[in-house]
Amino acid sequence: KQEVTQIPAALSVPEGENLVLNCSFTDSAIYNLQWFRQDPGKGLTSLLLIQSSQREQTSGRLNASLDKSSGRSTLYIAASQPGDSATYLCAVVYGNNRLAFGKGNQVVVIP
Amino acid sequence: NAGVMQNPRHLVRRRGQEARLRCSPVKGHSHVYWYRQLPEEGLKFMVYLQKENIIDESGMPKERFSAEFPKEGPSILRIQQVVRGDSAAYFCASSPQQGAQETQYFGPGTRLLVL
Repeated sequence: KQEVTQIPAALSVPEGENLVLNCSFTDSAIYNLQWFRQDPGKGLTSLLLIQSSQREQTSGRLNASLDKSSGRSTLYIAASQPGDSATYLCAVVYGNNRLAFGKGNQVVVIP
Repeated sequence: NAGVMQNPRHLVRRRGQEARLRCSPVKGHSHVYWYRQLPEEGLKFMVYLQKENIIDESGMPKERFSAEFPKEGPSILRIQQVVRGDSAAYFCASSPQQGAQETQYFGPGTRLLVL
C-alpha cells in the first residue's frame, strides 16, 4: 500500500524567505509525482508534475526534485510571498492512474 | 475553456437521505476520478471511470456508494442513506486519456454535510 507523508505539517515563514517542503512515499514504483496547491474551501491547482524518469522540474519560483529510489521529493519556493500562503499537497501516481496524497504542508507567509 | 465543474458546491443532507454529486470533466476529457477528503485527512482515491465503464473502484466503500459516467452527461457519485461519517469534501478530477504522464485536473469540490 502506498503511503505518502509530508513534513512539516505546518510552518510559518517571513516574507522573502525560501520555503522547503518535504514529501516521502513508501513504494518507489510510481509513475510520476505531482505537487498541488489547495486554498481554503477551494479545489486543487497543479503546480508541478515530475515523471518518474526525471530528477526535477521548475516553474518560475518553484522547483521540485524527485529521488525515486529513496522515496523522497522536495518542493522549493524561492523568495516566498504572502500569496504563497496555502496548503501544498504531494501526490504520487501509481497503479491504475490513482493518486495517493499526503496530508499536506500548511504554509503561512508573514508579511 | 471551462475546467472541471462540480455541483452542488455545498450539500446538506439529513441522515438516511441520498446525496448526488455531479462532475462535468474538462471538455474532451474521457477519464474521471473521484477523491474524498475527510476532515483532518488527506485526499483518498475512490473510483476511476471512463465513459460507461468503471475502471477501478478499489477505493469505494462497499455499501451505499456508487458512481457512473454515462455516455452523455456528467459523472455522478451517489451516496445512499448518508451517515454523519460521510461528511467530507468530494473532489472530481479528469484527464484527457489514460496514462501516468497525464495531469489530473481537479474541480472545486462538493462539500457534503450530514446532519
